[in-house]
Amino acid sequence: ETGVTQTPRHLVMGMTNKKSLKCEQHLGHNAMYWYKQSAKKPLELMFVYSLEERVENNSVPSRFSPECPNSSHLFLHLHTLQPEDSALYLCASSQEGTSSNEQFFGPGTRLTVL
Amino acid sequence: GEDVEQSLFLSVREGDSSVINCTYTDSSSTYLYWYKQEPGAGLQLLTYIFSNMDMKQDQRLTVLLNKKDKHLSLRIADTQTGDSAIYFCAERGPGGYNKLIFGAGTRLAVHP
Repeated sequence: ETGVTQTPRHLVMGMTNKKSLKCEQHLGHNAMYWYKQSAKKPLELMFVYSLEERVENNSVPSRFSPECPNSSHLFLHLHTLQPEDSALYLCASSQEGTSSNEQFFGPGTRLTVL
Repeated sequence: GEDVEQSLFLSVREGDSSVINCTYTDSSSTYLYWYKQEPGAGLQLLTYIFSNMDMKQDQRLTVLLNKKDKHLSLRIADTQTGDSAIYFCAERGPGGYNKLIFGAGTRLAVHP
């Protein structure tokens, strides 16, 4: 256990559905991240929140909408997705201001878009 | 530009040493990391090395850093079947927050 949990672990949705992915970290960290991992590309950083403010939006389509209500929780709201959005979505957290700033990852949500 | 490259596949016999290699492009990287991903799981941080070091050892793991050649390696001694996984090299990218640039991952297969 890394101290980062994600729900649901698996999600199947149609292209017209709206769903949300949830991430929670129990490490007292102040930064949280969303990554996309697909078979065809290296791990892609999607969004970064530091001190609950978004500091990076890595050219992600607007059908993905992040939300960080507090330093322990991060959501990824999904709507009108495409089949190519099927992937493993990983959440991570870190403590900014430490020297090594290593990121700790959750187990991921396996998303399938039909 | 930012780019991290790894070979995609490595096969070793149980009990042998494994060496996974990685090259990176950003000479200003301060930290470099190795992560392990088992099937159906997220990424687990194995170890990291600061750029002013050239070696770091942690039990069966040895990290070597050649900063001149921008080459990083992870050696696993006495490789076991439980070491079968995908290993990701990552460099800390630019920016005030901890942006990591990952390689594509090396799949390590351990056979008897």
